[in-house]
Amino acid sequence: DAGITQSPRYKITETGRQVTLMCHQTWSHSYMFWYRQDLGHGLRLIYYSAAADITDKGEVPDGYVVSRSKTENFPLTLESATRSQTSVYFCATQTRDFYNEQFFGPGTRLTVL
Amino acid sequence: QQQVKQSPQSLIVQKGGISIINCAYENTAFDYFPWYQQFPGKGPALLIAIRPDVSEKKEGRFTISFNKSAKQFSLHIMDSQPGDSATYFCAGDNYGQNFVFGPGTRLSVLP
Repeated sequence: DAGITQSPRYKITETGRQVTLMCHQTWSHSYMFWYRQDLGHGLRLIYYSAAADITDKGEVPDGYVVSRSKTENFPLTLESATRSQTSVYFCATQTRDFYNEQFFGPGTRLTVL
Repeated sequence: QQQVKQSPQSLIVQKGGISIINCAYENTAFDYFPWYQQFPGKGPALLIAIRPDVSEKKEGRFTISFNKSAKQFSLHIMDSQPGDSATYFCAGDNYGQNFVFGPGTRLSVLP
């Protein structure tokens, strides 16, 4: 039981290219999140989704696009990558029951040259 | 954006010592205050969490102290071990609307 997986784990791309980061969960948790982690900034929310076909912006959504056609998948697309989007990206899920715990994937390290 | 402030940025503790990390929040609507632990190359994982109706929660060597009036909470790690070396994030959650994380504290426990 993998829980939550992210692919690729590492990606190097060039400025202006489109990049899609994948996130897949096996739990059927209703909520899914995308964060970016940068030194000194902690974890910043990019987008989140409450259910299939329901998405909303977080703190830093500019330059990113998300979709959620199926409960288990939540891809994040950088439509035209910029150097400032070099970061580690984490996907997370949440059950939204009493415990509120978020479960994080292993992360994708993205470098934009 | 409702901030969560965290200090110190980094902390070095001798094995067996007490590690203390402090957080302060602004949003009085937060109803859940978790601490996450992150090892290098891994995603964060829930360590311990507290709700504002209690002032302290202890799980093994880890304790959260919560001061609702001061809007502050802290993580205490007793008998710190080298295996505790990691980055620690505090957070506040507003009735499940979304988490707001602190900037993180890098803890190093020396053997």
